[in-house]
Amino acid sequence: DMQMTQSPSSLSASVGDRVTISCRASQTVSNYVNWYQQKPGKAPNLLIYTASTLQSGVPSRFSGSGSGTDFTLTISSLQPEDFATYYCQQTYSSPLTFGGGTRVEIK
Amino acid sequence: QVQLQQWGAGLLKPSETLSLTCGVYGGSFSGYYWSWIRQPPGKGLEWIAEIHHSGNTYYNPSLKSRVTMSVDTSRNQFSLNLNSVTDADTAVYYCARVRRRAFDWLADHWGQGILVTVSS
Repeated sequence: DMQMTQSPSSLSASVGDRVTISCRASQTVSNYVNWYQQKPGKAPNLLIYTASTLQSGVPSRFSGSGSGTDFTLTISSLQPEDFATYYCQQTYSSPLTFGGGTRVEIK
Repeated sequence: QVQLQQWGAGLLKPSETLSLTCGVYGGSFSGYYWSWIRQPPGKGLEWIAEIHHSGNTYYNPSLKSRVTMSVDTSRNQFSLNLNSVTDADTAVYYCARVRRRAFDWLADHWGQGILVTVSS
């Protein structure tokens, strides 16, 4: 199976900070990476698909980049509602696999 | 506004069969894939399986021998059966609507999740 490795596994940040989360695939996945946000007790919410396309309704402070094996999710100015866990996912090969998650906590 | 509502037994004994159903309300059922994803307590996400409204199914190889999905287009529902459960199957199970095109796979609407606990 394709392994997706996220880093860091957790981070502490303040409101207004720029936050970057990395995701590395064990083999090339072209640009077929999605990013999800999950809050405690809730289902994941799709933020970004195909590495860099913003899902409808998602604030523009979220952006994604990367191709091949290395991908990044950036939050340009962290807001209180952004404290959550973020997951990357590859959709290039079966089975679809997710990264282990990055928990963004309040500093 | 599309809504997915899921139901099923939340407590099972080892070796029993997990059965969950997801109903789709307020949107089209055809033209989409319908998926199940699970999350063990405190852990990450695992894709289980998906089904097209036509009935074509795709399973995670790690679970394929125990999983069956079905679809009822007359009721806009789809179901998951996972047999011979063990405590490793304890997780929150989510259903989701999936838009697929080539390698794109977008789970853009999710159910509320059900915690299924396997315990003797």
